[in-house]
Amino acid sequence: QKEVEQDPGPLSVPEGAIVSLNCTYSNSAFQYFMWYRQYSRKGPELLMYTYSSGNKEDGRFTAQVDKSSKYISLFIRDSQPSDSATYLCAMSAYSSASKIIFGSGTRLSIRP
Amino acid sequence: DTAVSQTPKYLVTQMGNDKSIKCEQNLGHDTMYWYKQDSKKFLKIMFSYNNKELIINETVPNRFSPKSPDKAHLNLHINSLELGDSAVYFCASSPRDRGGEQYFGPGTRLTVT
Repeated sequence: QKEVEQDPGPLSVPEGAIVSLNCTYSNSAFQYFMWYRQYSRKGPELLMYTYSSGNKEDGRFTAQVDKSSKYISLFIRDSQPSDSATYLCAMSAYSSASKIIFGSGTRLSIRP
Repeated sequence: DTAVSQTPKYLVTQMGNDKSIKCEQNLGHDTMYWYKQDSKKFLKIMFSYNNKELIINETVPNRFSPKSPDKAHLNLHINSLELGDSAVYFCASSPRDRGGEQYFGPGTRLTVT
């Protein structure tokens, strides 16, 4: 079993829809949870950085962490064609520089 | 100003050759990383340096050797290139106390023929 599992998609939704992206993990030591967005032929860019369980909102993006279920989600409201990208979840056990485990990414396409 | 830059952007070379990729960051971060992303988009860490000191060294063939001349630079040298080394290599940096807040370079697409 991989440490981090992420549905690869592709996921295609119409513009304006709410998108839900998810990851599950097996290592209960993970405390820091991130979501990165990667456009085609570009480097990943950090979208959300959260610690422990709970919700964090930033504009149209909401990150949710449920440590009891070892499940994290990213919600995108009012999705735009510019949101079309691959979304990578990532997690680590420590705040300091340490090994981050990435999910394999979900490819998202927003249809105009 | 580009925060994390890599050169070259594309690298096409033959098996058996030796090549280097350079990375520079102007964010003032203490920690830098090298990642390999394969054709399935899976991103895997290879090395991490904190202020010129190697702190993460994943199971990577000895043919890969990182070098950090100062905390703003992290280079990757690859000896005796093999077909399986073809991938996109990303450099990244982060603050020392927020290792999850990583800033990635644009990537170097390496093709070994």
